[in-house]
Amino acid sequence: SQELEQSPQSLIVQEGKNLTINCTSSKTLYGLYWYKQKYGEGLIFLMMLQKGGEEKSHEKITAKLDEKKQQSSLHITASQPSHAGIYLCGADEASGSARQLTFGSGTQLTVLP
Amino acid sequence: KAGVTQTPRYLIKTRGQQVTLSCSPISGHRSVSWYQQTPGQGLQFLFEYFSETQRNKGNFPGRFSGRQFSNSRSEMNVSTLELGDSALYLCASSSTVNYGYTFGSGTRLTVV
Repeated sequence: SQELEQSPQSLIVQEGKNLTINCTSSKTLYGLYWYKQKYGEGLIFLMMLQKGGEEKSHEKITAKLDEKKQQSSLHITASQPSHAGIYLCGADEASGSARQLTFGSGTQLTVLP
Repeated sequence: KAGVTQTPRYLIKTRGQQVTLSCSPISGHRSVSWYQQTPGQGLQFLFEYFSETQRNKGNFPGRFSGRQFSNSRSEMNVSTLELGDSALYLCASSSTVNYGYTFGSGTRLTVV
């Protein structure tokens, strides 16, 4: 089965700083999702990437899937306290018609005002 | 449109009891999947249902079961609860159009 490794595990940044979170897969990624979670709550969808070299942006968050489709990065520009939370990458694993998401262990982001 | 609705939000049960959690997917979504989140194991896949059929199952004991109804609403059941079943249970619905997963707010189960 697929394994996803996220780095760093935790990140503390000053408000206004840029940051990057990485997600590396043991297998080729065919669908990579980024979610944000506040502690104890549900997952908020950020972005979905499917093609090698794809890059998507929403507000100050940009996600990329590398050409070889085994690594993705999430970049936040000019971080704000509202960006704080747990960031999770998830890989879409399909076997025939059956589907499931395999998740990384998450990156805990703290943004200091 | 309405999102994924999970009920109840919080549950406290005693060891040995059983529990049923409910998930109502986004209208039109026929795939519903369930995940367990714990501090030690992270997010783990439980099972996926599509059109009332279980298409995929994760590595969990038989005490964990689920079903899906004709209106795509899904329930998961855990029998003979153990302390280790304490977790946040998340449900996600997905369409066959864009394949994205939308998650509910989760049910926090505490087993005492």
